[in-house]
Amino acid sequence: NAGVTQTPKFQVLKTGQSMTLQCAQDMNHEYMSWYRQDPGMGLRLIHYSVGAGITDQGEVPNGYNVSRSTTEDFPLRLLSAAPSQTSVYFCASSYAVRSTEAFFGQGTRLTVV
Amino acid sequence: RKEVEQDPGPFNVPEGATVAFNCTYSNSASQSFFWYRQDCRKEPKLLMSVYSSGNEDGRFTAQLNRASQYISLLIRDSKLSDSATYLCVVPGYSSASKIIFGSGTRLSIRP
Repeated sequence: NAGVTQTPKFQVLKTGQSMTLQCAQDMNHEYMSWYRQDPGMGLRLIHYSVGAGITDQGEVPNGYNVSRSTTEDFPLRLLSAAPSQTSVYFCASSYAVRSTEAFFGQGTRLTVV
Repeated sequence: RKEVEQDPGPFNVPEGATVAFNCTYSNSASQSFFWYRQDCRKEPKLLMSVYSSGNEDGRFTAQLNRASQYISLLIRDSKLSDSATYLCVVPGYSSASKIIFGSGTRLSIRP
């Protein structure tokens, strides 16, 4: 059971570079989301999707883009990396928004220098 | 007011103690609630769901107070392995809503 697969696990970027964090799930979950977690802080929602072709902004969407062309994949794109985007990023999926468990990828530790 | 608020702690208690912490939520229409556990530098994992009638799983008890809009987590006979951050989660009340996490309560159990 692969669950939620997130890549890469670690990444160092230079300011201004762009990159895509990959997230894939094999559980046929409709709901997927991206969070960032800064030291000593909780998870802040970046973007989320309630199904293929549907995305919406979370609490901290600026500087990030997402797309959901398939049920399985939900990539997060950093448009022009900034030091303020240094964080741990988690992708999560669940069968539905309500009343279901969210499954997380192992996280991506991103450092922007 | 934040949608979901938790006391950040840290709670530092001796092994064997009972500890409880709360999580308040702002949306009175919320129907389901969860507690997640996050170990240092790891992804969060579901600890337990919170039902209207409460929920008990071994040493852990989760309760819901709709009138005051908070959920609670009680840990009895705490173990060193209970040291972690505990996150409360309040999914949206509609199928198009988002899942919001509380900022987490850090618990440290000392020998």
